[in-house]
Amino acid sequence: DAKTTQPPSMDCAEGRAANLPCNHSTISGNEYVYWYRQIHSQGPQYIIHGLKNNETNEMASLIITEDRKSSTLILPHATLRDTAVYYCIVRASGGSNYKLTFGKGTLLTVNP
Amino acid sequence: GAVVSQHPSRVICKSGTSVKIECRSLDFQATTMFWYRQFPKKSLMLMATSNEGSKATYEQGVEKDKFLINHASLTLSTLTVTSAHPEDSSFYICSARAGEDTDTQYFGPGTRLTVL
Repeated sequence: DAKTTQPPSMDCAEGRAANLPCNHSTISGNEYVYWYRQIHSQGPQYIIHGLKNNETNEMASLIITEDRKSSTLILPHATLRDTAVYYCIVRASGGSNYKLTFGKGTLLTVNP
Repeated sequence: GAVVSQHPSRVICKSGTSVKIECRSLDFQATTMFWYRQFPKKSLMLMATSNEGSKATYEQGVEKDKFLINHASLTLSTLTVTSAHPEDSSFYICSARAGEDTDTQYFGPGTRLTVL
């Protein structure tokens, strides 16, 4: 699976949009981009995933560049409860290996 | 969304005892479940992958005789830490793949194990 690069930390003001970048320059054509987050002392929470088109759900939007070498997770109106470590993971679809490899992620701190 | 539970949420045990952690998919059947371990201020590390009805596949460096995994049904996987020692103290998290036609994994809330 392709490696991802994320900033170690980011700050965001409550009520503003939080834009979390992820670089995955070695991504292959069959690899999806997954985003999870982990609030302190809890299990990771699935947020969103995509292949090449932009995706949106009730939690966030995922913007993937046309060359697929980077993506941005957008939390449109960050709240204090969005403070967490956000993980960007790239992995292939299907096959017999469904492993997720977690990097260090980005610690997003939402400030009042 | 798919819900995964773990029990217990927290356990404290004496060195040398065995501890069993249960992972259940509550509203879906999970043919594949995963067990992770997380040390303080570190990221999740995959320990093993379990498929219902077959032996688990362990990651390199994980002792299969120490971390026994059983995936006896489509909704339940168990991790038993045998002869636990203080260095086994960690946050153990399971996840389940939500069906055959998706690769998305849903995680349990985790189990905090403290070995005295």
